Formats: sequence, structure tokens, C-alpha cells
Amino acid sequence: QVQLQESGPGLVKPSETLSLTCTVSGGSVTSGSYFWSWIRQPPGKGLEWIGYIYFTGGTNYNPSLKSRVTISLDTSKNQFSLKLSSVTAADTAFYYCATLPGRTGWFDPWGQGTLVTVSS
Amino acid sequence: DIVMTQSPDSLAVSLGERATINCKSSQSVLFSSNNKNYLAWYQQKPGQPPKLLIYWASTRESGAPHRFSGSGSGTDFTLTISSLQAEDVAVYYCQQYYNTPYTFGQGTKLEI
Repeated sequence: QVQLQESGPGLVKPSETLSLTCTVSGGSVTSGSYFWSWIRQPPGKGLEWIGYIYFTGGTNYNPSLKSRVTISLDTSKNQFSLKLSSVTAADTAFYYCATLPGRTGWFDPWGQGTLVTVSS
Repeated sequence: DIVMTQSPDSLAVSLGERATINCKSSQSVLFSSNNKNYLAWYQQKPGQPPKLLIYWASTRESGAPHRFSGSGSGTDFTLTISSLQAEDVAVYYCQQYYNTPYTFGQGTKLEI
């Protein structure tokens, strides 16, 4: 059973780059069984899909964030990462990593999430 | 983008009673070639990540209690909890995966 754990700074200054890492256990990021995804949720609000990466390195991003987002793999550490540039207060949210099994589209399982606050 | 709209925004149901949550998509999420609806339901309890309950609109995820069921096709879907338990207090979300960007409903808060 795949398990995911997010890590990274909880506070980022406006205009800087948010960087988070998701460590995968119980599975490999080089497996073709999953698309490795990021989703965010502003406190008290709904869910927004950010994007995913496949083991080939291929990516698919939400057009609303595409100009600022990079998702990458680190196969040596069995991790995948999210970078979101030029952040503003509107990027304050819980950030979740999740797996998207095969060629499906639902997300299961999810990491516990990490709160990132954008503030000076 | 496909817009997902849930109703109601919040719902209070007595223990043991039926709870019904609706989800409407701005365009059909039924893929004609395989006759499958690309729609999932999640449960999110306070302080926890969402948990998958239902996929393909009506297939219960292993481990989800049998009192949870999904129905509907095309643009209109329903999540039903047949007999509400105290542990079902949560926010419920629908999500379409017919195309990207994947989108979620705004959530329905279920209370006792």
C-alpha cells in the first residue's frame, strides 16, 4: 500500500517560490502504476487540482497555475516535488500529494497534507 | 473547465436517517465508448485529507461502508448514505475526471 508524506517550509514570503516534497513509501515513483499528483485546499475552502507527473517525466498542469508550476521526480530518493513561483496570499493553502492510479482519474491515497502560509 | 456544483451546501440529518447529496456537472462526464461516468466522491473529516469513497459514479471503494452508495449518469449524480452514523459527519466532495483540469464540487457539509 502506497503511503505519502509531504514536507517543506510552512511559511513563504510573497513573490518567492513555494517548494514542497512528497516522499513515497510502499511503492516506487518509477512505477507506471500511478500518476503522482498535487492538490491544494485553502483553509475552510474547496479542493483544486494542481497537476501530476508520470514516471516518464511527463506532466499535466492545471492551466490556471501552469505558468507558475513545476512538478518533478527524484527517483534516487523516491520523491516527487512541487514548485510554485511568485506566490501571493491567495496561494495560502493545505497542499496534498496524492496518487492517481493508472489511467483512472481519482485520487487515492492522499498524504496528510501540509499548510503553507504566504506572508511577509 | 467542467464546473461541478453540489447541493445542498450543508445538510443536517438525524442518526439512522438517509442523507442525500447531489452533484451536477456543467457537461456530461459519461464517456460513450465505455459507458462509464468519470465521477468520484470523497469524504473529508476535520483535520484529515479527503478519502475516496466512490469511483465510476457508483463503484464503492474497498473499505467504504456499504451504507454509502453512488448513482446517476451524464450530468446528475447522487451520493446516498442509507443510515447516518455519527462517524459520517464530514464534508463530501464530488470530482470529475472526464478531462483535465480535474475539478471538484464546492463540498457539502454533513452534520447530525
